[in-house]
Amino acid sequence: DTEVTQTPKHLVMGMTNKKSLKCEQHMGHRAMYWYKQKAKKPPELMFVYSYEKLSINESVPSRFSPECPNSSLLNLHLHALQPEDSALYLCASSHRTGGYYEQYFGPGTRLTVT
Amino acid sequence: ELKVEQNPLFLSMQEEKNYTIYCNYSTTSDRLYWYRQDPGKSLESLFVLLSNGAVKQEGRLMASLDTKARLSTLHITAAVHDLSATYFCAVRPNAMDSNYQLIWGAGTKLIIKP
Repeated sequence: DTEVTQTPKHLVMGMTNKKSLKCEQHMGHRAMYWYKQKAKKPPELMFVYSYEKLSINESVPSRFSPECPNSSLLNLHLHALQPEDSALYLCASSHRTGGYYEQYFGPGTRLTVT
Repeated sequence: ELKVEQNPLFLSMQEEKNYTIYCNYSTTSDRLYWYRQDPGKSLESLFVLLSNGAVKQEGRLMASLDTKARLSTLHITAAVHDLSATYFCAVRPNAMDSNYQLIWGAGTKLIIKP
């Protein structure tokens, strides 16, 4: 299995809803990432988990809550989002190969906050 | 400030023509990544360049790295319509503690007209 999967593909939620995004990989990668990407912009790093521990939190608002239940799964819990949080949310995973970490991206979840 | 600058940001070209996308970065780095993104889709890893003078080729795309000039190029030979996409370069600065954080260029939107 050489891919990162994400569910759902699309999500529409109101500002008072609670929802979760899910990411899964079975490549044995020990680092997993959440990115946010707005239209016509590069991806912005939100969180990194390394060996199931939160390694990087790029000052993301607390309405986004990551969780890494095991080495293959990564969740992003969403609560009380704002319309400006509408974006493509990308999950990625990586492993160390010859001194570098190549990130493999999932297909993304297109989130719309109404 | 750590910056990665791509140019051009937009490129419209005819099939069968050659062109080059440039990626300049402001800090020392010996890890540079090129990614491709189709509209509304995820990011696909194209090349990882690790050392000065590194050159990699895949089909009609060739990437090179000059760490002394802090410059990478992505050269397109005899473009075909299927190469239409947005291309991002990303740099892992040597000075950064984390292996996971990349500094991304703004992306180059490439349109190849039949």
